[in-house]
Amino acid sequence: NAGVMQNPRHLVRRRGQEARLRCSPMKGHSHVYWYRQLPEEGLKFMVYLQKENIIDESGMPKERFSAEFPKEGPSILRIQQVVRGDSAAYFCASSPISGIQGGELFFGEGSRLTVL
Amino acid sequence: SQQGEEDPQALSIQEGENATMNCSYKTSINNLQWYRQNSGRGLVHLILIRSNEREKHSGRLRVTLDTSKKSSSLLITASRAADTASYFCATDLQGAQKLVFGQGTRLTINP
Repeated sequence: NAGVMQNPRHLVRRRGQEARLRCSPMKGHSHVYWYRQLPEEGLKFMVYLQKENIIDESGMPKERFSAEFPKEGPSILRIQQVVRGDSAAYFCASSPISGIQGGELFFGEGSRLTVL
Repeated sequence: SQQGEEDPQALSIQEGENATMNCSYKTSINNLQWYRQNSGRGLVHLILIRSNEREKHSGRLRVTLDTSKKSSSLLITASRAADTASYFCATDLQGAQKLVFGQGTRLTINP
């Protein structure tokens, strides 16, 4: 059973470009979480999605950031018009049950975005 | 602000010694989890303790939870060089549907 797959692992973008980060959850997992991590810091929650639904996006910046988890295919975190402050590692995690039920999260290896 | 705060931020000990990391949180929780992150990698789940539990063991790991003090500790016994990593606590807030992570403790085990 493959783990959580994230791609690309490394992405370099110039200011103003778009970044698309993809996450395929573990087989059978319908709950996906996205987190952002700056160097030497903890993970900051961004968004929690179930298939075709955004459950909690309280950690997402109001502008330029969006996320989706379609019925078919991976979850996508999209950052439009990137700025240098968007440079970070973005982690996806999946779970077979929701966090409030005490679900353990299974993390991918992360996508490291560098904005020049 | 972050729900969980780990203490210390960094810890360096000799191989074979025990390592203790603490986590404090602010609001009521359903459960608390500890994760490990090796440099440049994703997080790996270590152990989960529910709000009605006080202590839990898994191999060389021992976790305690004191809900009256809103704090937890992670003890790694007989540390090994391979235990070098960052350790994070994560709380499952009552009423919320997400895990909130602390800032982490960077543990270095010196051979």
